[in-house]
Amino acid sequence: DGGITQSPKYLFRKEGQNVTLSCEQNLNHDAMYWYRQDPGQGLRLIYYSQIVNDFQKGDIAEGYSVSREKKESFPLTVTSAQKNPTAFYLCASSTTRLEKRNEQFFGPGTRLTVL
Amino acid sequence: AQKVTQAQTEISVVEKEDVTLDCVYETRDTTYYLFWYKQPPSGELVFLIRRNSFDEQNEISGRYSWNFQKSTSSFNFTITASQVVDSAVYFCALSEAGSTDGTASKLTFGTGTRLQVTL
Repeated sequence: DGGITQSPKYLFRKEGQNVTLSCEQNLNHDAMYWYRQDPGQGLRLIYYSQIVNDFQKGDIAEGYSVSREKKESFPLTVTSAQKNPTAFYLCASSTTRLEKRNEQFFGPGTRLTVL
Repeated sequence: AQKVTQAQTEISVVEKEDVTLDCVYETRDTTYYLFWYKQPPSGELVFLIRRNSFDEQNEISGRYSWNFQKSTSSFNFTITASQVVDSAVYFCALSEAGSTDGTASKLTFGTGTRLQVTL
C-alpha cells in the first residue's frame, strides 16, 4: 500500500539533545513537508522540499534542520536550539504537478516530549 | 498573507444532531484552494474535501456538506445526523493555486474545532 510512515510514534528527549524524526513515503511524490502542531493550535509549517537536494524554510524553521538526499525520505532534526520542542510533528507529501499539488497526504505523526 | 479563522474552539452535540463548523479565510490571491481535514484521536490528518475558488457550488458527500461563499470568504462544513465516530478535531486550510508546475504548495491551517458527539 502506498503511504507515508513516520517513526517513532513517541519520542522522549533530554534537554540539550538533538533528535531526528523519520519520514518516508512511497507515493513517488516530489514535494515533502514538515508541520508542527501544539495543543489547541493549527499546524505550522517548519520546512518543505520540492525536489531532492533542495529544501526551503517554512514559518517556524528556527531550531530545526532537514535533509533531502532521497526522494522517499525527508528527516527532520530537532536541535538543542529549539526552545520549546515538545509537540506533535506531522510529515506530508504531495505531487508538484499543477493540477494536484495542493493535495497533501499526511503521515501518522511523531509525538516528541522533552524531559 | 493568508489567514484562516475557525472561531469555534470546541462544540459538543448529542448524536443525531446536525452541526456546522465555521471557517473564514483571508487571501489576496484570486485563485486558491480550500480544504477540510479531520484529525481523529490517533493524530493522523484525514483529507475530506478540496474546493477551487472558482467553484462555488455546494457539495454533499453522504452526511457531510460544504457551503462555500466567496462573498463572505467562508467555507463552512455541516455534518448531518452526527455520530459518535465524528468526534475529532476538524481543520480548515487554505493554499494558493500557483501557476508553475514543479513547485510545492504550502497550506495555511486554522486552529481547528474540536467536535465532541455524545450518546
